[in-house]
Amino acid sequence: EAQVTQNPRYLITVTGKKLTVTCSQNMNHEYMSWYRQDPGLGLRQIYYSMNVEVTDKGDVPEGYKVSRKEKRNFPLILESPSPNQTSLYFCASSSRGDPTADTQYFGPGTRLTVL
Amino acid sequence: LAKTTQPISMDSYEGQEVNITCSHNNIATNDYITWYQQFPSQGPRFIIQGYKTKVTNEVASLFIPADRKSSTLSLPRVSLSDTAVYYCLVGPYSGAGSYQLTFGKGTKLSVIP
Repeated sequence: EAQVTQNPRYLITVTGKKLTVTCSQNMNHEYMSWYRQDPGLGLRQIYYSMNVEVTDKGDVPEGYKVSRKEKRNFPLILESPSPNQTSLYFCASSSRGDPTADTQYFGPGTRLTVL
Repeated sequence: LAKTTQPISMDSYEGQEVNITCSHNNIATNDYITWYQQFPSQGPRFIIQGYKTKVTNEVASLFIPADRKSSTLSLPRVSLSDTAVYYCLVGPYSGAGSYQLTFGKGTKLSVIP
């Protein structure tokens, strides 16, 4: 089944404790992206990747890191999480290199709480 | 970036046609317009995409006027299962040549029995 998977689905952590949220897609998509969703603010893009070893900032990259060493994986890294990073996070992917000439497939989401 | 503006919420009765308009005054020449649907606690799901004029698929229609500064998502004969948040997305070229994508804040559609 074609899908985007994220792990963990739920995570409660404390300020400053490094964490990684994994994202994997099995559709051989080139474009991958991370979004955060907060009440009243909609979806905001954090980082995106056009292909392996190619990443770029979205609207709200501060406090996050990403890497794209393999085509299928695009982990989101919080080196020192803070309470303002408490949010619902979505990973997405799309084929080719143009996410708006094609469908973006979204993962199920990761609900992160930073205490 | 091409900022998008949508109504925050809309109500509709079952069986009615619903039109949700998105304004995107700064749309770039080569940008596409895409609409997504999101149910609570789920990731957004693609509905429809267009560049100009009218596009129709099995679930919706998308109307784009000649100046492309707005677009209207039309949902025919809505049912309770259409209750969701609908996002308008414009890109990718409005991000100064990058593929940065900017979603609007979405329109919460509530379908009433």
